[in-house]
Amino acid sequence: DAGVTQSPTHLIKTRGQQVTLRCSPKSGHDTVSWYQQALGQGPQFIFQYYEEEERQRGNFPDRFSGHQFPNYSSELNVNALLLGDSALYLCASSLWDGGDEQFFGPGTRLTVL
Amino acid sequence: GEDVEQSLFLSVREGDSSVINCTYTDSSSTYLYWYKQEPGAGLQLLTYIFSNMDMKQDQRLTVLLNKKDKHLSLRIADTQTGDSAIYFCAEAYYGNNRLAFGKGNQVVVIP
Repeated sequence: DAGVTQSPTHLIKTRGQQVTLRCSPKSGHDTVSWYQQALGQGPQFIFQYYEEEERQRGNFPDRFSGHQFPNYSSELNVNALLLGDSALYLCASSLWDGGDEQFFGPGTRLTVL
Repeated sequence: GEDVEQSLFLSVREGDSSVINCTYTDSSSTYLYWYKQEPGAGLQLLTYIFSNMDMKQDQRLTVLLNKKDKHLSLRIADTQTGDSAIYFCAEAYYGNNRLAFGKGNQVVVIP
């Protein structure tokens, strides 16, 4: 049973570019949340998807957008990249109903030059 | 609001017990979590406690919750070198799956 998977592992972009990160939740989970973890900090909640809709959003600008597919996998898109977007992006999966456990993927390390 | 605080660094000898502390401020929390992060890796869920409980034990891990002081602790018995990592406490925000994390506590185990 595969856990949460994310791709790519590492990514290098330049300022102004756009990036798409991908996540497949743990088998049986229907909810995907995205977090940004800057170096030396705890993860910060970006947004959460359930039934292909954004259900909650943290304090992130509209440059951050996402999508959830019918198979529950999800994408995180960031437009007009800034140097400050360099971070580890983590995906977490859970169950919408009774989801007391959240499992994280290994993350995508994004470096913006 | 969501404001989770943790101390930053702990050094412990192999075989000793480690205690990591965390305070939270959101009184509407329902679950409180402990995650472990090894260098370059994602977050591993270690254990969690429901906010109506005082204590939970899971093998070498003991979680204590003091609701009055909004204080959460994680005790690791018989600490091993593989326990060297950063430990994050997190709380569920408004009873849903949105997690608010502390800044983490780095634990270094000395052989």
